[in-house]
Amino acid sequence: QVTLKESGPVLVKPTETLTLTCTVSGLSLSNTRMGVSWIRQPPGKALEWLARIFPNDEKSYSTSLRSRLTIYKDTSESQVVLTMTNLDPVDTATYFCVRIPFDFWTNSYPFYFDYWGQGALVTVSS
Amino acid sequence: EIVMTQSPATLSVSPGDRATLSCRASQSVSSNLAWYQQKPGQAPRLLIYGASTRATGIPARFSGSGSGTEFTLTISSLQSEDFAVYYCQQYNNWITFGQGTRLEIK
Repeated sequence: QVTLKESGPVLVKPTETLTLTCTVSGLSLSNTRMGVSWIRQPPGKALEWLARIFPNDEKSYSTSLRSRLTIYKDTSESQVVLTMTNLDPVDTATYFCVRIPFDFWTNSYPFYFDYWGQGALVTVSS
Repeated sequence: EIVMTQSPATLSVSPGDRATLSCRASQSVSSNLAWYQQKPGQAPRLLIYGASTRATGIPARFSGSGSGTEFTLTISSLQSEDFAVYYCQQYNNWITFGQGTRLEIK
């Protein structure tokens, strides 16, 4: 059973840097073909994709937020970390860690998300 | 960026009836389209991928159709647990989500 769990601060001040950690259980990041993504959802609003990382350490970012985001993984700890710099109140959202499955039939990653963490609400306020 | 437009924003349907939700892409996404269900206070749940393939454990009353720019999620015989917000997502060119359709009890 694959589970993902987000952890990080609940409250962050404007201009600060946010660091969120996703801990993956049930599968090993080092020998499993799965990608991990971060997605956020402002209160009452729609979902927004942020970043993704793959076992070969390939990474990609949302075009609009690329300059503020960094994603990396600690395979030994089964964790994927997302940092976001220069926070603003509009960054207040629930941040989800999600799995991108591997399609063995096509030998590729179809970028939908089959396992989701419970989400971590981050409020940006002074 | 591909814009995903869902309609209607809110759909009122009686339990036991059929619900039809629409999702339109601003350009073709082939069949690279997924649907999610989200209940209050919960993470989204994957329902459909590849436009028409049900995810593991999803009841047969959920079905997806379409390709290119027009997609539909149909829920036949609505159950009480189906009232939620539904999102479509394209993954043909980067990743974008629709704004959601709220399915409420009539």
